[in-house]
Amino acid sequence: TQLLEQSPQFLSIQEGENLTVYCNSSSVFSSLQWYRQEPGEGPVLLVTVVTGGEVKKLKRLTFQFGDARKDSSLHITAAQPGDTGLYLCAGIETGNTPLVFGKGTRLSVIA
Amino acid sequence: DAGVIQSPRHEVTEMGQEVTLRCKPISGHNSLFWYRQTMMRGLELLIYFNNNVPIDDSGMPEDRFSAKMPNASFSTLKIQPSEPRDSAVYFCASRVGDYGYTFGSGTRLTVV
Repeated sequence: TQLLEQSPQFLSIQEGENLTVYCNSSSVFSSLQWYRQEPGEGPVLLVTVVTGGEVKKLKRLTFQFGDARKDSSLHITAAQPGDTGLYLCAGIETGNTPLVFGKGTRLSVIA
Repeated sequence: DAGVIQSPRHEVTEMGQEVTLRCKPISGHNSLFWYRQTMMRGLELLIYFNNNVPIDDSGMPEDRFSAKMPNASFSTLKIQPSEPRDSAVYFCASRVGDYGYTFGSGTRLTVV
């Protein structure tokens, strides 16, 4: 059983479209992170959210942490081919426990 | 800052052979993590260290897997003997405090 469920698993869209990917769990997390991974490389941290209801923006990317700290979403406005990659959410349940990852959403933005 | 350095980048070996993967974390980072990534199971934590001490190795799949961190700047993950089902990308990551993880570029292991 995956602790963090991400949806959709695959997403292919045209340049300029908007999209939202989701990360859901039945567990409560003290913090949640989003990473982006490109082929042949390791995941790279995009953002960390720690407060229920928190919204963070990173250029065209908007991240939201659910009020109950069990879920999160990533919204991309006006997607560009450079946004193509594997988007991973990862959470820490308590204190010093290590990150657990979802399986990711593989995004392809077509020019 | 050179980031987390892993070697080798690619490893192809025959079933039954010993494989050693290496990791140099970022200087000053006090936590080190080994993950394995496959299409089927995603990123799975194998083991992690705090201040060079192994804290949780419950993710190590079998006794064939072992990891060491002899000092703050070096860690190894060893598989002996290797099996085809061990084929995956193995990542090392390091962290300081509550900040996000910094991952290496991974070692793609193929066991034939």
